[in-house]
Amino acid sequence: AQKVTQAQTEISVVEKEDVTLDCVYETRDTTYYLFWYKQPPSGELVFLIRRNSFDEQNEISGRYSWNFQKSTSSFNFTITASQVVDSAVYFCALSEEDNTDKLIFGTGTRLQVFP
Amino acid sequence: DSGVTQTPKHLITATGQRVTLRCSPRSGDLSVYWYQQSLDQGLQFLIQYYNGEERAKGNILERFSAQQFPDLHSELNLSSLELGDSALYFCASRGPYNSPLHFGNGTRLTVT
Repeated sequence: AQKVTQAQTEISVVEKEDVTLDCVYETRDTTYYLFWYKQPPSGELVFLIRRNSFDEQNEISGRYSWNFQKSTSSFNFTITASQVVDSAVYFCALSEEDNTDKLIFGTGTRLQVFP
Repeated sequence: DSGVTQTPKHLITATGQRVTLRCSPRSGDLSVYWYQQSLDQGLQFLIQYYNGEERAKGNILERFSAQQFPDLHSELNLSSLELGDSALYFCASRGPYNSPLHFGNGTRLTVT
């Protein structure tokens, strides 16, 4: 069965600290997609990144970076030099090739960045 | 702004009632998805429509139904509402094959 685990329920940091959000997934498929979404206090879900299972290259986008490791079934998300505006709930999600439209979400990690 | 529009933003109603949630996808997107975010179940896929036809079903209750109209907007109908139906309901749309889902701002439903 497919499953996404975000073991960290809540993380608090002070501005400018680096923070890593963990995501571990389970799937039997060899082809799948992994996602991160951000849900700020206003409630909307904002797409951050998608990776397919054949692309294990790490990705960096500004202060955001993602580390995909198939060997440990993990897709971790790091925010460098965190800012108060990064405060949100972050969701990791998985979809499988035969149904790329159905996202299976983790339970989310609430990140609070204090000034 | 994702380009996906959901109305209303908030809805408060009583148990046993029926409500309709509306979604307009991004311009050009043919697929519409509905997700429910509740405290106990988290974010769950409900149903997908593509160009007016139902494509996939997830954990959608029989009391819930949806449709997609010729202009591609979609409506999610929730009937015989129960307290447990209180949740944030998201609509999402996507573009051509392999595009990521883009979500609207959600409709917060409160059943009292």
